This record gives sequence, C-alpha cells and structure tokens, in this order.
Amino acid sequence: AQSVTQLDSHVSVSEGTPVLLRCNYSSSYSPSLFWYVQHPNKGLQLLLKYTSAATLVKGINGFEAEFKKSETSFHLTKPSAHMSDAAEYFCVVSGNNDMRFGAGTRLTVKP
Amino acid sequence: DSGVTQTPKHLITATGQRVTLRCSPRSGDLSVYWYQQSLDQGLQFLIQYYNGEERAKGNILERFSAQQFPDLHSELNLSSLELGDSALYFCASSIGAGNSPLHFGNGTRLTVT
Repeated sequence: AQSVTQLDSHVSVSEGTPVLLRCNYSSSYSPSLFWYVQHPNKGLQLLLKYTSAATLVKGINGFEAEFKKSETSFHLTKPSAHMSDAAEYFCVVSGNNDMRFGAGTRLTVKP
Repeated sequence: DSGVTQTPKHLITATGQRVTLRCSPRSGDLSVYWYQQSLDQGLQFLIQYYNGEERAKGNILERFSAQQFPDLHSELNLSSLELGDSALYFCASSIGAGNSPLHFGNGTRLTVT
C-alpha cells in the first residue's frame, strides 16, 4: 500500500523568492515519484520524475526535487518564483501499478 | 501540447441524461486513465485501461462505464446524471501499465443542470 501527503494546501510567495512545496510519501515498494502542475482550466503537466536514479531531479521551468528516503520526502523547490508559476501542484507516488495523487498545493505568487 | 485529445471541451446536460466523453491517447501510449476533478472531491481516479483491457478501477460509480477500443481511443459513459456529477473529467495516457508518467488532456467540463 502507498500514500502521499502534501503538507500544505496553500503556499503564498512573493515573485523572485524561493518556492518550497512539501510532499511526504509512504510506500511498500521502491516508488517512482512525480510532480505535476495544473494551471487553471488545463490538464496536469509533468514537471519532473524520480525513478531510482539520481536523488536530485531537475524538471522543467527551473523546478527541482530531492528524493530523501530516510525522510520519505520528495519536496519541490525553485530558487526564484515567477508570476507564471501560480498554479496547483500535485505530488504522485507510484509503485506496483498503483498510482496515488496528493491532494494538491495551490501556489500563489504575489508581485 | 500533451498529445492527448479530449472531446468535447464543454458539455451541458440535464439530470437523468446520458453522455459520452471521448479520449484519444498520445501516439504510442497503450494505457488510458480517467479522472474526475471537482472542488469538493479533488482529483479522483476512476478507471484505467491497458491495450484494450481494464487494468485498475478506482472510485467509479456503477452509473459510469468506460471502454478502450482496438485503436486505443477510449470513451467514458456517464448515465442517469446527477447534479453532483458536474466536474472536470480528465483523460491521461502513458506508455506502460505501471509507473510511467501520465500525459493529461485538457479535460471535458461537464455541467449537469
């Protein structure tokens, strides 16, 4: 069995400041982990994925995430937020053909 | 562009009616997934097909059914519609049946009046 918890339902940052979206997971397998982004009235878009290679994963639009097995975490970061980053972000754990989505974190970026 | 096409984009219908949502997966992808997204329930997994066969079932109501055709496109049928079925319905596709990344369409917004 597996599950994923996104620790913040809403994060608000100022433009140009760092972004941290937190995700903890639980899995009985060696999981694959993903982050997706959803802009208003759009489908989800893959930001990045971890599949047991390098623990620091770089994604699109300057985002990256670090897989920490000891902490069962896969937090998403970006050094400097842009207005276009405002969206909903989903953390996903997948293993043994079972894929679980987190509840989502809404990122607001203030000018 | 994800390569996943969903039609129609918007659908408005009355309670008790039946509708069909269509999805064409990304070229080369064998798996199709259906999700429902609403404000109160969030993103809910409904069902997955892999190469024409049902692979996994989530929170899909008995009033809902789906299938994947030999050309790999999929249809989601919603019947005896209720107000609470109003939501965004997403289709996603992936190469494999398991842990491959999903590619999402832009969704069909269903409004039941």
